[in-house]
Amino acid sequence: KAGVTQTPRYLIKTRGQQVTLSCSPISGHRSVSWYQQTPGQGLQFLFEYFSETQRNKGNFPGRFSGRQFSNSRSEMNVSTLELGDSALYLCASSFRDSSGGLFFGEGSRLTVL
Amino acid sequence: AQSVTQPDIHITVSEGASLELRCNYSYGATPYLFWYVQSPGQGLQLLLKYFSGDTLVQGIKGFEAEFKRSQSSFNLRKPSVHWSDAAEYFCAVGDPSGGGADGLTFGKGTHLIIQP
Repeated sequence: KAGVTQTPRYLIKTRGQQVTLSCSPISGHRSVSWYQQTPGQGLQFLFEYFSETQRNKGNFPGRFSGRQFSNSRSEMNVSTLELGDSALYLCASSFRDSSGGLFFGEGSRLTVL
Repeated sequence: AQSVTQPDIHITVSEGASLELRCNYSYGATPYLFWYVQSPGQGLQLLLKYFSGDTLVQGIKGFEAEFKRSQSSFNLRKPSVHWSDAAEYFCAVGDPSGGGADGLTFGKGTHLIIQP
């Protein structure tokens, strides 16, 4: 069974640009969550999607957005990039929610210059 | 809001020795509890989870954790560590009242170093 796949794995952007990250969940998983990991703040919850609906959102500005498609694949977008957005962005999937544990991808490492 | 504290930022253990990583949480009831491990450049791997029942839970790679309600703790243990256990370990809690749709709250992590 393939795991959670995130693309791209690494990317470099400049301030003011926007970026889109993609996540393919484990087959059969309908819940997809996104987390930001930085050395200073640690792992922080961005948002969670289930059946194309955002069910919950963390405390991040509106520049951070996401969506989920009918095949459960998800994308997140960050607009008007800031230096502080440099981080490892992790996608996680589960059957329906986090109660059974989340299965994480290897992440997309974003560097903003 | 729930919170998680991992008091030890770094722990050094000799190969073959036992290991205990501490985790304390703050939550009004019993949360979902998890331990994850992250190797350099990798995502997080679920080691074990607890939401009810037996307070001693077994996980993968020979790890176990014990939930102690009176101490609001969920410590991770392993009787004998291997060099391959060197990694970052994260404790996380989830809020059952949110139906599992809420995000997990993670501790800051404990960096485990294995001495030969």
